[in-house]
Amino acid sequence: AAGVIQSPRHLIKEKRETATLKCYPIPRHDTVYWYQQGPGQDPQFLISFYEKMQSDKGSIPDRFSAQQFSDYHSELNMSSLELGDSALYFCASSFGQGAQPQHFGDGTRLSIL
Amino acid sequence: AQSVAQPEDQVNVAEGNPLTVKCTYSVSGNPYLFWYVQYPNRGLQFLLKYITGDNLVKGSYGFEAEFNKSQTSFHLKKPSALVSDSALYFCAVRDMVGSARQLTFGSGTQLTVLP
Repeated sequence: AAGVIQSPRHLIKEKRETATLKCYPIPRHDTVYWYQQGPGQDPQFLISFYEKMQSDKGSIPDRFSAQQFSDYHSELNMSSLELGDSALYFCASSFGQGAQPQHFGDGTRLSIL
Repeated sequence: AQSVAQPEDQVNVAEGNPLTVKCTYSVSGNPYLFWYVQYPNRGLQFLLKYITGDNLVKGSYGFEAEFNKSQTSFHLKKPSALVSDSALYFCAVRDMVGSARQLTFGSGTQLTVLP
């Protein structure tokens, strides 16, 4: 079965640079969630979109922005990168916003030098 | 606000023995509860969920979980552990009536199954 696709899998950036992470949800899933997982930490919710509109906002820094496009894929844009942004970034998708489980991609590992 | 507690950072069990990974939750209303497993450098893989109905929920790979409303717990169980079950397990909750739709995760429990 098709899963959530994230690209790139690994990304190395320097401080103050920008990065764009992409997420392609499972076909027919209309909701996308972004999470950040620091080393040894549990995933922390950043932001979510339902039918291309932002639905919830978590602990996403102002330096980050995201959007969901007409084909339901989503991009997380990160600017003025800091050392503390080094983490694993997960995208998850679900059908609707109710009780359906979120299905996660394998993540993008972002390393800031 | 919603929260999840996984009181054990590490659980060790011998192969073939039953395993339990503990989880307690706190929500304002009724909970949606989930268990996920994470292998190194991989995403979280959905195991099972409790929405409503029977308190014993069966999921993937022989795992099951028991919802206990009075104790606000949702412990993950498996009758006979396999070495391949060794991984990081996360419990997650979502408030059924809350406006927030995202999952709140516990801190994770590293399960090690010893051969």
